[in-house]
Amino acid sequence: AQKITQTQPGMFVQEKEAVTLDCTYDTSDPSYGLFWYKQPSSGEMIFLIYQGSYDQQNATEGRYSLNFQKARKSANLVISASQLGDSAMYFCAMREGGSEKLVFGKGTKLTVNP
Amino acid sequence: SQTIHQWPATLVQPVGSPLSLECTVEGTSNPNLYWYRQAAGRGLQLLFYSVGIGQISSEVPQNLSASRPQDRQFILSSKKLLLSDSGFYLCAWSGGGVNPDTQYFGPGTRLTVL
Repeated sequence: AQKITQTQPGMFVQEKEAVTLDCTYDTSDPSYGLFWYKQPSSGEMIFLIYQGSYDQQNATEGRYSLNFQKARKSANLVISASQLGDSAMYFCAMREGGSEKLVFGKGTKLTVNP
Repeated sequence: SQTIHQWPATLVQPVGSPLSLECTVEGTSNPNLYWYRQAAGRGLQLLFYSVGIGQISSEVPQNLSASRPQDRQFILSSKKLLLSDSGFYLCAWSGGGVNPDTQYFGPGTRLTVL
């Protein structure tokens, strides 16, 4: 069974608007971490934001925030005030407690239009 | 600050030839190190990880091997490349920063096997 599901193969947003990228996960481990990475066309995977399963508050990093809904097992990434440079692939990933393995979703391609 | 280097950036190799990809990390000691592969248009798949010198764990049995001869050096090798080995190879490290579980990626090596 897929552990990380990103249902949006592609998303479009106007510059300066906010956009939400969806991610749902599946685990029975009470301890886990959720990550979002950005991959521009150059290929490098850039870490954006982290949410731990025991964190009480949603993580925020500048224009990035993570809408963590534990009961629904969702960890959506919200990008506020989109910029042209935000156009890239975005990957959601999970690491279960005690495991070194990051499991990735298939990604969402975000295009920011001027 | 920590930096991670990978080389070469691109590589074109014939089927049956050997392979050696190198990854080094600067600015940290005793990092956990990882090799991932990304097939075209897909998420990342963990190949190997290492928690210390000479300690290698394999996630996917295949035509590749990994070695960690020094604390901050991780090498991915093959004796005979297959067509299916083509892909984008990313090295990552963890163990530092605000969250020790966060994995930080290098720029990647794009391998084409012909």
